Amino acid sequence: QKEVEQDPGPLSVPEGAIVSLNCTYSNSAFQYFMWYRQYSRKGPELLMYTYSSGNKEDGRFTAQVDKSSKYISLFIRDSQPSDSATYLCAMIGSGGSNYKLTFGKGTLLTVNP
Amino acid sequence: DGGITQSPKYLFRKEGQNVTLSCEQNLNHDAMYWYRQDPGQGLRLIYYSQIVNDFQKGDIAEGYSVSREKKESFPLTVTSAQKNPTAFYLCASNTGARDGYTFGSGTRLTVV
Repeated sequence: QKEVEQDPGPLSVPEGAIVSLNCTYSNSAFQYFMWYRQYSRKGPELLMYTYSSGNKEDGRFTAQVDKSSKYISLFIRDSQPSDSATYLCAMIGSGGSNYKLTFGKGTLLTVNP
Repeated sequence: DGGITQSPKYLFRKEGQNVTLSCEQNLNHDAMYWYRQDPGQGLRLIYYSQIVNDFQKGDIAEGYSVSREKKESFPLTVTSAQKNPTAFYLCASNTGARDGYTFGSGTRLTVV
């Protein structure tokens, strides 16, 4: 079983739709959770950063972490064509000196005008 | 503005040739990373460095080499031993704590 599983999509939605992107993970040591957005032929950019369980909201974006289910989500409200990108989840544990992120493979999202 | 600069943006390599990809950061970050990205494969870690003059192999280090002589710089050499080097290469950095990475804009390497 891979440490982080992410449905690669592609996911295609109409403008204005609510988008739900998800990742599951197997390592219970993961405590810090991130979502990155990557436009085509560009480097990923950090979108959301959360610690442990709970919700975090930033504008149209909401990140949810459910550690009991080992499941994280990113919701995009009122989706726009400019949200079309690949979304990568990433996570890291809290112990030791290893600060490497573990990434999902990414979900390709297209928002159609 | 602080950030990571990767150069060149596009690079073409002939068979049997070594090429070096540049990565420079002015964020005062201690840790730097090199990833390779192929369609459908996600990000795969090549090498990483947490302090100057020290670096560790990632998951796919064969055919690659790095150096970390300065805090700001972490160049990646793709050697002739790397049999399938065509890919998108990404450099990243962070403070070395459990924060997110800052990525560069990438180098697309193509074998011709």
